[in-house]
Amino acid sequence: EAQVTQNPRYLITVTGKKLTVTCSQNMNHEYMSWYRQDPGLGLRQIYYSMNVEVTDKGDVPEGYKVSRKEKRNFPLILESPSPNQTSLYFCASSLYGGAVYGYTFGSGTRLTVV
Amino acid sequence: GIQVEQSPPDLILQEGANSTLRCNFSDSVNNLQWFHQNPWGQLINLFYIPSGTKQNGRLSATTVATERYSLLYISSSQTTDSGVYFCAVRNSGNTPLVFGKGTRLSVIA
Repeated sequence: EAQVTQNPRYLITVTGKKLTVTCSQNMNHEYMSWYRQDPGLGLRQIYYSMNVEVTDKGDVPEGYKVSRKEKRNFPLILESPSPNQTSLYFCASSLYGGAVYGYTFGSGTRLTVV
Repeated sequence: GIQVEQSPPDLILQEGANSTLRCNFSDSVNNLQWFHQNPWGQLINLFYIPSGTKQNGRLSATTVATERYSLLYISSSQTTDSGVYFCAVRNSGNTPLVFGKGTRLSVIA
């Protein structure tokens, strides 16, 4: 089944403890991105990647890192999480940058930083 | 950047009723999608529809690109249709997918 898989689905962590949210897609998509969703602010893009070894900042990149060493994986790294990074996170992928087929989203990761 | 406005913001329906959700956008687009966010937070892709009309069961969507709007029709609504419906667009190149604020739909039995 074609899908974007995020792990974990739920995570509670403490301030400053490094964490990684994994994202993997099995559709051979070259484009992948991360969004966060917050009440009143909607969905905002954190980082995106046009292809392997190519990443770029979205609208809200501060406090996050990403890497794209393989086409299928696009992990989101929080080096020193803070409470303002408590949010619902989504990974998305697409072919041709979203034209023709659109974006496929993962099931989301609900992160709480205390 | 491109602006996306959805209406109405909230909608309450009796089970079996029909509804129309609207999405207006401020610039030409090469990607428009409708999503349903269910009560568990999952974003379900309903339609990829930068222009034209599509149907999938009780749902259908129409985008009139020249007039910069899209409509999502839900017929014979069911309680499982409850959730938030998002319209998202992208207009070019490396720009991100921009989401509207959504329409929160509640279908009551």
